[in-house]
Amino acid sequence: NAGVTQTPKFQVLKTGQSMTLQCAQDMNHNSMYWYRQDPGMGLRLIYYSASEGTTDKGEVPNGYNVSRLNKREFSLRLESAAPSQTSVYFCASSKTHPASGGGTQYFGPGTRLTVL
Amino acid sequence: KNEVEQSPQNLTAQEGEFITINCSYSVGISALHWLQQHPGGGIVSLFMLSSGKKKHGRLIATINIQEKHSSLHITASHPRDSAVYICAVAASGSRLTFGEGTQLTVNP
Repeated sequence: NAGVTQTPKFQVLKTGQSMTLQCAQDMNHNSMYWYRQDPGMGLRLIYYSASEGTTDKGEVPNGYNVSRLNKREFSLRLESAAPSQTSVYFCASSKTHPASGGGTQYFGPGTRLTVL
Repeated sequence: KNEVEQSPQNLTAQEGEFITINCSYSVGISALHWLQQHPGGGIVSLFMLSSGKKKHGRLIATINIQEKHSSLHITASHPRDSAVYICAVAASGSRLTFGEGTQLTVNP
């Protein structure tokens, strides 16, 4: 099993460009998450999907959209990238619902995004 | 004040030393997680606990719900334990909130 996979690993964008970060898991997990990690700050939740067909905002959703394409895949879209979105992005999944603590979360390898 | 505070922020130890990393939180929680972030950036979950103590190999995690405090201990530390250790709490019915992490360096 591959676990949680993310593409791309690295990306450089110019201000105003758009892109989609892809995430897939093969563990049959119900819940999936997108986080960003910035220096000097803890991981912050952007959006999550507690189950297929549902998505909810996290702590820092502005400037992002998500799609839970099916149970396996959860994508994150930046419609008009800004330098403030320069960060490392992690996708994660868990078997149980976030409301119950989420259970053990399994993380992807991360995408390092730079917006110039 | 952050909901989750870790101490110390940075910790340097000699191989073989016993290490303690602390996590304090300010809200009621349903679970607390300890994660490890490798120098290459990958993140793995070490423990999820809601009471008492858990042990896995040389790692021990404890939690005191009344005091809103958890500790992660590493016995017989090794250079391969060098990583960032992250505490995260799950408030009831809510998302995980993460601490900023503790950078651990174990020298041979």
